[in-house]
Amino acid sequence: GAGVSQSPRYKVAKRGQDVALRCDPISGHVSLFWYQQALGQGPEFLTYFQNEAQLDKSGLPSDRFFAERPEGSVSTLKIQRTQQEDSAVYLCASSLAGGGNTGELFFGEGSRLTVL
Amino acid sequence: DQQVKQNSPSLSVQEGRISILNCDYTNSMFDYFLWYKKYPAEGPTFLISISSIKDKNEDGRFTVFLNKSAKHLSLHIVPSQPGDSAVYFCAASVTQGAQKLVFGQGTRLTINP
Repeated sequence: GAGVSQSPRYKVAKRGQDVALRCDPISGHVSLFWYQQALGQGPEFLTYFQNEAQLDKSGLPSDRFFAERPEGSVSTLKIQRTQQEDSAVYLCASSLAGGGNTGELFFGEGSRLTVL
Repeated sequence: DQQVKQNSPSLSVQEGRISILNCDYTNSMFDYFLWYKKYPAEGPTFLISISSIKDKNEDGRFTVFLNKSAKHLSLHIVPSQPGDSAVYFCAASVTQGAQKLVFGQGTRLTINP
């Protein structure tokens, strides 16, 4: 497809379960970002990849959160031993290297995680 | 601490009138600002941006104003249309292209026919 694709769109997990969220960026986009959006809040930065290199993971809230992009294309965000406070929409975004002239990020529709 | 703040959770405007959405920031290192628009069940989409070397940027019905001394920016939509009803997020970054965006909480704009 032409846009950023995320799966699953909705995920319900029991507390303590591990989850994996997938992101397919726009073809040719070098940069990939994960953001977490809690209910009623704006997106918050989690981590950033340039190709396969994870250049910034300062936003990951704990060591239960892990992201990878092994071949510089598809990325997976993994959350181990999920907690209720992990419930949020997880947004993936991609951009051309340097974001072009506008610094524009292209967002996917998000994966809504609910932890019971 | 909330470095980017949108103090109005919601705004209702009559169709055809001007919509003004406001955003304040605290980090003086921010030098690039963007507005994103979000419809329900969709990801945010880029709307307009402004660099700190400018105080105004215009794109069709959308104009963004930046007041660096006040650390304040605003988005003007004129004339407002029903399709403009959405949540609008203000975002800021240090250096254009850095892309580690800091977002505000969003303002839900409703355009009434």
